[in-house]
Amino acid sequence: ETGVTQSPTHLIKTRGQQVTLRCSSQSGHNTVSWYQQALGQGPQFIFQYYREEENGRGNFPPRFSGLQFPNYSSELNVNALELDDSALYLCASSQMGLGEYIQYFGAGTRLSVL
Amino acid sequence: AQSVAQPEDQVNVAEGNPLTVKCTYSVSGNPYLFWYVQYPNRGLQFLLKYITGDNLVKGSYGFEAEFNKSQTSFHLKKPSALVSDSALYFCAVRDSNDYKLSFGAGTTVTVRA
Repeated sequence: ETGVTQSPTHLIKTRGQQVTLRCSSQSGHNTVSWYQQALGQGPQFIFQYYREEENGRGNFPPRFSGLQFPNYSSELNVNALELDDSALYLCASSQMGLGEYIQYFGAGTRLSVL
Repeated sequence: AQSVAQPEDQVNVAEGNPLTVKCTYSVSGNPYLFWYVQYPNRGLQFLLKYITGDNLVKGSYGFEAEFNKSQTSFHLKKPSALVSDSALYFCAVRDSNDYKLSFGAGTTVTVRA
């Protein structure tokens, strides 16, 4: 186990609704990254948070937003849900700096949009 | 831009035989390379990484990978596969000047008894 926890495990929403996913990073880690893994595909980078600021963003629209809290936990918010948002959402924590490069992943939240 | 290609969707081997999962990459700077494994309904588990140094890196569960700069490859290998190695394997790359990981589409490994 990596120590990265995500909640909820599963979620069902309808098109147009909003959703919030949560992630607790591994102890000692200051950086959280979010990925979307559609069925049969590799994870796609959404964004990364470091010191409570967005540190970089992939090719996702603004309706995907996030937060990082002082304890380094994080939220991913998705507004105006679309059917194509159905996917496994993965959170990964890491320690920026100190020569540490590995991202440790949680088990993910499976979102179904109907 | 950075990208990863895993040319094989599936790899099938018999238990006890060598296992190889192929990966090629493209980055503009120096590559940081990773292999992860995913079991059903689970997140990604880190197996091994190449950052710098020896081209042959050893990781968890008897896996190893060889970095080949001229061929821009980072193939995952295991000398003797186990049935429990059956899973989905992802290769990932990060440019040394960047922060995000780019993943391949994954290779499903099936080891038959």
